[in-house]
Amino acid sequence: AQSVAQPEDQVNVAEGNPLTVKCTYSVSGNPYLFWYVQYPNRGLQFLLKYITGDNLVKGSYGFEAEFNKSQTSFHLKKPSALVSDSALYFCAVRAVTKGNKLVFGAGTILRVKS
Amino acid sequence: EAGVAQSPRYKIIEKRQSVAFWCNPISGHATLYWYQQILGQGPKLLIQFQNNGVVDDSQLPKDRFSAERLKGVDSTLKIQPAKLEDSAVYLCASSLGPYAGTYEQYFGPGTRLTVT
Repeated sequence: AQSVAQPEDQVNVAEGNPLTVKCTYSVSGNPYLFWYVQYPNRGLQFLLKYITGDNLVKGSYGFEAEFNKSQTSFHLKKPSALVSDSALYFCAVRAVTKGNKLVFGAGTILRVKS
Repeated sequence: EAGVAQSPRYKIIEKRQSVAFWCNPISGHATLYWYQQILGQGPKLLIQFQNNGVVDDSQLPKDRFSAERLKGVDSTLKIQPAKLEDSAVYLCASSLGPYAGTYEQYFGPGTRLTVT
């Protein structure tokens, strides 16, 4: 069965410092991986995806993610954090089932302090 | 381009009452999803439609939950009767569909349901 693990409930980082939000996955076959962000009282917003190609994927708002097949990881990164990046981040993997549904991790709260 | 619309945004009901949520997907999106997001957890798929047909409803509690997508556009999710454990945010999402090759889903703002 497909699954995603986000090992950190919360990540704290100072404004201007680099940030990393971790994600590991388990899926049969080639992984299709996604990152979403959720602000309070809002729906999930798509940030970026990996389907194939370059292991470093660039997305919205200056975020990028690094796909590592040997470590089955897909960590979200940003070179310089902003206070406005504070939100709840979800990693997801496409399930290899009828309908190709997304299976989400439990989420990681990112707090950026000024 | 308009996003996914949902209503109502908030709903408070007593247990054993019924409730309905409405979703209008992005125009042209063939696939529509309903997710349940319990506090502190990631979204869990309840049901997925491709046009007006059900693709996956394996995690839908069919004794109390029902959903329809008549005409392949708008969708309604209903709970009858509600239980305390149904308190959650119900998210609707849409995507172009499996033949587009993109796979990302676009989410509405959600409906926060509180069952007392």
